[in-house]
Amino acid sequence: SAVISQKPSRDICQRGTSLTIQCQVDSQVTMMFWYRQQPGQSLTLIATANQGSEATYESGFVIDKFPISRPNLTFSTLTVSNMSPEDSSIYLCSVEGLAKNNEQFFGPGTRLTVL
Amino acid sequence: GQSLEQPSEVTAVEGAIVQINCTYQTSGFYGLSWYQQHDGGAPTFLSYNALDGLEETGRFSSFLSRSDSYGYLLLQELQMKDSASYFCALSGGSYIPTFGRGTSLIVHP
Repeated sequence: SAVISQKPSRDICQRGTSLTIQCQVDSQVTMMFWYRQQPGQSLTLIATANQGSEATYESGFVIDKFPISRPNLTFSTLTVSNMSPEDSSIYLCSVEGLAKNNEQFFGPGTRLTVL
Repeated sequence: GQSLEQPSEVTAVEGAIVQINCTYQTSGFYGLSWYQQHDGGAPTFLSYNALDGLEETGRFSSFLSRSDSYGYLLLQELQMKDSASYFCALSGGSYIPTFGRGTSLIVHP
């Protein structure tokens, strides 16, 4: 299993500002994933972050809006840039487990409210 | 692309058995997973089916029929703590799962 922590757990931000969310894993992992979950909705993959290479973004998400860093095998950051109220959501990072059952472990999430 | 359909809400009483269905469309297939998420919590992995048939883990079982593009999660001996959202997640063209919209399970005493 993997233990994942995220900072901050929640934040309230003003429109037009940016917020950087940190994700720390207790073991080295190749890939880290960033998801967005709007209240009562499903999880939508934003991007996949590999250490030492550019993140791979899903359709509808761009690097200028959601820049990602992956400086080492246990840490990643996601920045939500130039925020608008539509960015209000829960942002979760996740990693794959070692068992070959496609299991993903999720962090506790960052609840973002943009005013 | 790929898509998943699951009911938005299911209700049941404590001690009962409930089945949450998931149908999917995809061009490729690696497996179907199920996750549980309590309000305010992170999703937690329940099960994974890559092959047809039933996988049992305690009170929870998951079934897959690849020919029917269909799976279900079966919860037995329901407890109040089972009230949560349940997501099926498809690993189709990529091993990275795509999540369904989730089913809110409400367990009544």
